[in-house]
Amino acid sequence: DTGVSQDPRHKITKRGQNVTFRCDPISEHNRLYWYRQTLGQGPEFLTYFQNEAQLEKSRLLSDRFSAERPKGSFSTLEIQRTEQGDSAMYLCASSLEYSTDTQYFGPGTRLTVL
Amino acid sequence: QKEVEQNSGPLSVPEGAIASLNCTYSDRGSQSFFWYRQYSGKSPELIMFIYSNGDKEDGRFTAQLNKASQYVSLLIRDSQPSDSATYLCAVNKADYKLSFGAGTTVTVRA
Repeated sequence: DTGVSQDPRHKITKRGQNVTFRCDPISEHNRLYWYRQTLGQGPEFLTYFQNEAQLEKSRLLSDRFSAERPKGSFSTLEIQRTEQGDSAMYLCASSLEYSTDTQYFGPGTRLTVL
Repeated sequence: QKEVEQNSGPLSVPEGAIASLNCTYSDRGSQSFFWYRQYSGKSPELIMFIYSNGDKEDGRFTAQLNKASQYVSLLIRDSQPSDSATYLCAVNKADYKLSFGAGTTVTVRA
């Protein structure tokens, strides 16, 4: 049983560049979530997919952020024109609808914007 | 008022003692409650979930839920140095997204 995987694990970029992160959920899970976590805080919800449909985006997700989940499998999170305030850990989680809906997290992608 | 509040700690306990962590939440419609453990620089790891009032035990961990008081707690018995981490309380209002507290840092001293 493989867990949630994320790639890359670390990303350092310069301000203004675009970055893209990938998340592969647990294979049978149809729900996928993105969260962002900054130092000393708990994760904050960004967006959520049920199968391939993006059902909600947090107001934290500015127009520079976009997420996709083609075919209801892996998901990508893109940040355009990165800013220093985007530096954070980006966490992906997945769950199975009709179960306890317990969310399991991937290892995260640590983004540093210089 | 924050949706989920936890004592930030740090909470320092001697090895073998009981660590008691508290969490309160603001939305009475909250339906499920989770405790995650997070080591420094790592992602959250699920410890337990609880839905019904009362106690739920899993090994050295016991979660307690009181919906009337909007309070959930986690007890760690026989604390070990490997339990030293930040513990995150998370609440789900059945709208799929989790609301997290800021976490309580626990240090178990040998």
